[in-house]
Amino acid sequence: AQSVTQPDIHITVSEGASLELRCNYSYGATPYLFWYVQSPGQGLQLLLKYFSGDTLVQGIKGFEAEFKRSQSSFNLRKPSVHWSDAAEYFCAVAPTSGTYKYIFGTGTRLKVLA
Amino acid sequence: DAGITQSPRHKVTETGTPVTLRCHQTENHRYMYWYRQDPGHGLRLIHYSYGVKDTDKGEVSDGYSVSRSKTEDFLLTLESATSSQTSVYFCATLAGPTDTQYFGPGTRLTVL
Repeated sequence: AQSVTQPDIHITVSEGASLELRCNYSYGATPYLFWYVQSPGQGLQLLLKYFSGDTLVQGIKGFEAEFKRSQSSFNLRKPSVHWSDAAEYFCAVAPTSGTYKYIFGTGTRLKVLA
Repeated sequence: DAGITQSPRHKVTETGTPVTLRCHQTENHRYMYWYRQDPGHGLRLIHYSYGVKDTDKGEVSDGYSVSRSKTEDFLLTLESATSSQTSVYFCATLAGPTDTQYFGPGTRLTVL
């Protein structure tokens, strides 16, 4: 079955520290890959996406993600976290053809310590 | 954002009553989606639409129906609301497969 796993429910980091959020997927073929961020009480905002090509993808707010086909992973990174990055982060996949039904992970809630 | 509005933004209703949530978009996007968000489950797809009058089920479609009679509007109906349908509902739109999926602000539904 197709699925997306975000193994960390909560992560706490200090402001200025580096961040890595994990995402693994199970899919028949390489899907489109996405990371979204959700601030409290808000909708989701796209951080970055991978369709093809360079496996290191740059996004907004200083985030990047690396697609590793051999590990079926698409981990999100940021070299220096800001207090405003505190939010919930969702990884998602979508097929490259056909139904365009997205599958989301269960999310990772990031807390940033001052 | 992609000009997505959801109405109502908040609703409290009683078990057994019908409820309709509306999603309206101004960008003429072809695809529209309804998700529900619950703690520990992330976002789960309820139904989606790939054109006017063209809809398909998602992973949690039981108890929900949808309609899309115009490109800009996608309605989600709970025929007989149950407490398990208490959730935050998000609408999303997508212009095309390699485009960005945009989300609405959400509707918080409480079924007593």
